[in-house]
Amino acid sequence: GIQVEQSPPDLILQEGANSTLRCNFSDSVNNLQWFHQNPWGQLINLFYIPSGTKQNGRLSATTVATERYSLLYISSSQTTDSGVYFCAVDPGSNDYKLSFGAGTTVTVRA
Amino acid sequence: DVKVTQSSRYLVKRTGEKVFLECVQDMDHENMFWYRQDPGLGLRLIYFSYDVKMKEKGDIPEGYSVSREKKERFSLILESASTNQTSMYLCASSAAWENTEAFFGQGTRLTVV
Repeated sequence: GIQVEQSPPDLILQEGANSTLRCNFSDSVNNLQWFHQNPWGQLINLFYIPSGTKQNGRLSATTVATERYSLLYISSSQTTDSGVYFCAVDPGSNDYKLSFGAGTTVTVRA
Repeated sequence: DVKVTQSSRYLVKRTGEKVFLECVQDMDHENMFWYRQDPGLGLRLIYFSYDVKMKEKGDIPEGYSVSREKKERFSLILESASTNQTSMYLCASSAAWENTEAFFGQGTRLTVV
């Protein structure tokens, strides 16, 4: 299956700082998603971004499919941004099983 | 809004019990999934269903079975619960065409004692 690597594994930020999370994947993909896991364990959809750039408030994401990576940008971080961020991909071609990276744990300090 | 609903947020069961985890989605999605999440091991796929009565094993199917009798409902069954099945269980659904964005339920934290 597709291998998904996320970096860094842990990130500690001061409130107001900007940061970039990276996701590398080993093969071409049909779907790439970014999730934020809230303190209760639910995975919240951030972006569905198999290619291109999207923005949603202080968050934005870019996927360069030809180079097999995606970046998640957090600007002006807030304490509520704390949690684990996951990247997940599916290869398509009738295979829709999502493979997840190990996640990046973000801690934003006030 | 897409909604995936899992029947319980927290569950405590005894070793050897038969356990049913239920998941319902309201978006007419073809695909449904069951994952488990453990510290240090990430999210691992247990079973996947791409249509009613159709299923595929994921990475860790041992000790589990699934049932999909209706398109909107996907059940995970622990035939004889064991302590090593204590985990967070996450259900998801997605469409099979064009936009395959997956949506997750709130999760079920299962403890087997």
